[in-house]
Amino acid sequence: GDSVTQTEGPVTVSESESLIINCTYSATSIAYPNLFWYVRYPGEGLQLLLKVITAGQKGSSRGFEATYNKETTSFHLQKASVQESDSAVYYCALGDQPNSGTYQRFGTGTKLQVVP
Amino acid sequence: NAGVIQTPRHKVTGKGQEATLWCEPISGHSAVFWYRQTIVQGLEFLTYFRNQAPIDDSGMPKERFSAQMPNQSHSTLKIQSTQPQDSAVYLCASSLRENTGQLYFGEGSKLTVL
Repeated sequence: GDSVTQTEGPVTVSESESLIINCTYSATSIAYPNLFWYVRYPGEGLQLLLKVITAGQKGSSRGFEATYNKETTSFHLQKASVQESDSAVYYCALGDQPNSGTYQRFGTGTKLQVVP
Repeated sequence: NAGVIQTPRHKVTGKGQEATLWCEPISGHSAVFWYRQTIVQGLEFLTYFRNQAPIDDSGMPKERFSAQMPNQSHSTLKIQSTQPQDSAVYLCASSLRENTGQLYFGEGSKLTVL
């Protein structure tokens, strides 16, 4: 089926260190996967961080980057230097084309804790 | 510019009682989604509506759970005879059109069943 697997948390990283949160997807019924990262900061609602709808392309936001790799079916989230304010729960999600009549599928979430 | 509004933010029920959760989507958004968030399962899709019509409820437990969207400004998720395993955060999201890429989520309703 269609699903997303991501790094199991919690993940603890020291401030200014680099970060990678792995995400792989399986899209058996979705012809043209669209990939997303959402983030939930403490006390806030879940919000879109970045999205990429074309294989081979890279999305970026707030210093985070993720490249849509169709060959490895991956969409890893990376940041070169994390800050305490990046502490949050990150969700990778898989969707289909607009108006496809399907819904976005989410991974289990990765809780990131950035320590001073 | 109000986002998706969910009420109540917290609800505690006894086993066997009914719980109703409300969602007010962003004005003008035609698609409304319900997800359930747990530590073990992450975000599980429950159901969604397009222009108030139910489109896909494949994620809804067949018994005890029901969802409605009586008008374009609100949707409800009702759980009858709540059980401890129903304890979760229930998230509502809306989008301009389903699956355009950006879901706008509410802050969720945390249900605790004792």
